[in-house]
Amino acid sequence: GAGVSQTPSNKVTEKGKYVELRCDPISGHTALYWYRQSLGQGPEFLIYFQGTGAADDSGLPNDRFFAVRPEGSVSTLKIQRTERGDSAVYLCASSPRGGSSYNEQFFGPGTRLTVL
Amino acid sequence: SQQGEEDPQALSIQEGENATMNCSYKTSINNLQWYRQNSGRGLVHLILIRSNEREKHSGRLRVTLDTSKKSSSLLITASRAADTASYFCATAERNTGGFKTIFGAGTRLFVKA
Repeated sequence: GAGVSQTPSNKVTEKGKYVELRCDPISGHTALYWYRQSLGQGPEFLIYFQGTGAADDSGLPNDRFFAVRPEGSVSTLKIQRTERGDSAVYLCASSPRGGSSYNEQFFGPGTRLTVL
Repeated sequence: SQQGEEDPQALSIQEGENATMNCSYKTSINNLQWYRQNSGRGLVHLILIRSNEREKHSGRLRVTLDTSKKSSSLLITASRAADTASYFCATAERNTGGFKTIFGAGTRLFVKA
């Protein structure tokens, strides 16, 4: 079956612009996670959705970052007024259920964001 | 902040040798997971060990957990060139929404053919 997909795979933008990154989770997975990974580092948690609601958004670095999941499936990570420091690979993951520490997460290939 | 810290940061071995990577963490955990990341293939879950387990095996992988030392190790036996990847430990941190996964910085393993 299809895994987690993310689009675009690469995004180059200019400082100050707005970008949207999309994640299509595995069908039927209720939990969805966004991470950011800088070069040479592990993934950094941003936000976690259980269904349509953001169960934990404590990892969002500031109010320029926002994410939605209106129908409990596809999610969009939105970044306003991009800064060069936002350049990273943005990873999305889904799991069958949330709320448990034992759920394996299935990751997408990521979107590489470059802010010039 | 990152919970798990891997050691070594990088490891280069010959095919057929064993590779051992270590992870230390700071707070109490329910479980610890190991992931592998190949360039172009994304993160893949390898194995999960619960806090009441001390050792777990999966194929050529052996994971140990010492909760008294807040550390875990991942052993890959009879390594292959295809094992070349970055390996991350991850712990689940409880929060109001359930759990969020905290990754370490990773160990970069290079297996020479």
